[in-house]
Amino acid sequence: DTEVTQTPKHLVMGMTNKKSLKCEQHMGHRAMYWYKQKAKKPPELMFVYSYEKLSINESVPSRFSPECPNSSLLNLHLHALQPEDSALYLCASSPLSLGVDEQFFGPGTRLTVL
Amino acid sequence: TQLLEQSPQFLSIQEGENLTVYCNSSSVFSSLQWYRQEPGEGPVLLVTVVTGGEVKKLKRLTFQFGDARKDSSLHITAAQPGDTGLYLCAGEDAGGTSYGKLTFGQGTILTVHP
Repeated sequence: DTEVTQTPKHLVMGMTNKKSLKCEQHMGHRAMYWYKQKAKKPPELMFVYSYEKLSINESVPSRFSPECPNSSLLNLHLHALQPEDSALYLCASSPLSLGVDEQFFGPGTRLTVL
Repeated sequence: TQLLEQSPQFLSIQEGENLTVYCNSSSVFSSLQWYRQEPGEGPVLLVTVVTGGEVKKLKRLTFQFGDARKDSSLHITAAQPGDTGLYLCAGEDAGGTSYGKLTFGQGTILTVHP
């Protein structure tokens, strides 16, 4: 299995809602990532989990809360989002190999905040 | 902070034409990855270049890593409409201080007209 899967594909939520994005990989990768991507721009790193521990938080607002229940799963909990948070949210994973550490991306969740 | 300058930002060509996309930096990278992304989907890894001066070919796509591992190029021969998409270069930090972080170029939006 060489896939990173993400659910849901699309999500529409109000500013008072609580929702979660889910990501799963079965490649045995030890690092998992959350990115935010606006249209026609490169992905912006949000969080990195290494060996199930949060290793990088790129000063992301607390209305985004990541969770890594095990080495295959990554969640992103959303609460009290703003319309400007509407974007494509991408999950990625990598083996954490020294020297060359290729990241593999999921298909993304298209989030719209009303 | 590492930067990757990617050019051109937009490219609109006719089917059958050749094109080259460039990624340049003043920083050394341990490897450089090229991705292609279609609208509403996640980036798909095309190739990873590791060794200075390395050239890799993927059908009509030729990837080159500069001798000093600071720059890379993607050349497409006889472009086809199916090549349309956002092309992203992303470099891994050679210094190892930003483990798990990729530096992305700004992206090249390629449109190939039939």
